[in-house]
Amino acid sequence: GAVVSQHPSWVICKSGTSVKIECRSLDFQATTMFWYRQFPKQSLMLMATSNEGSKATYEQGVEKDKFLINHASLTLSTLTVTSAHPEDSSFYICSARDRRAFYNEQFFGPGTRLTVL
Amino acid sequence: AQTVTQSQPEMSVQEAETVTLSCTYDTSESDYYLFWYKQPPSRQMILVIRQEAYKQQNATENRFSVNFQKAAKSFSLKISDSQLGDAAMYFCAYAGTASKLTFGTGTRLQVTL
Repeated sequence: GAVVSQHPSWVICKSGTSVKIECRSLDFQATTMFWYRQFPKQSLMLMATSNEGSKATYEQGVEKDKFLINHASLTLSTLTVTSAHPEDSSFYICSARDRRAFYNEQFFGPGTRLTVL
Repeated sequence: AQTVTQSQPEMSVQEAETVTLSCTYDTSESDYYLFWYKQPPSRQMILVIRQEAYKQQNATENRFSVNFQKAAKSFSLKISDSQLGDAAMYFCAYAGTASKLTFGTGTRLQVTL
């Protein structure tokens, strides 16, 4: 149980295009999903918190117009990187919090590697 | 704001030996959770162990145990009988009332024969 998937696992795009990354909780309902960014050999940095049916809450310094987050259902959140540039190249990881979770535990997706040429 | 500090960028342990990874944190909250996550080369984050701050007893999961010192705000991870598969990045993480995870900078663990 508690499986989170991400699609695609890797994507290469041209500068100026938009890329959408999907995060799905496969066997549980997630009222809250989180999006992280991880640069090589660095830690995970929280970008935003996504709550089902409401607007995402972005961390300080994260451009909400560049990183569009939609949490349309209890099992799906999407991150769209708009007008991507090479500096947006990174590893993006989502996590989901099971609404039944007692320990505030988050279950992580396998990540998406984005390369912007 | 909460902070999590891992002062050991890299650690090495011989197979079958024991290693301890350090983690300290800073918070003004009284109710929170602490976690150790493992990130192997696949980059999939795997929960190793968790600790509720209100519990005095240290958490244990098979070969993994923690030393939780609430007053000192310390949360170290001990890996016993180290195995080659334990080689990975290990992240200490804090979750408070906001449910957001704050990660440390990570410790890369190498396991040698």
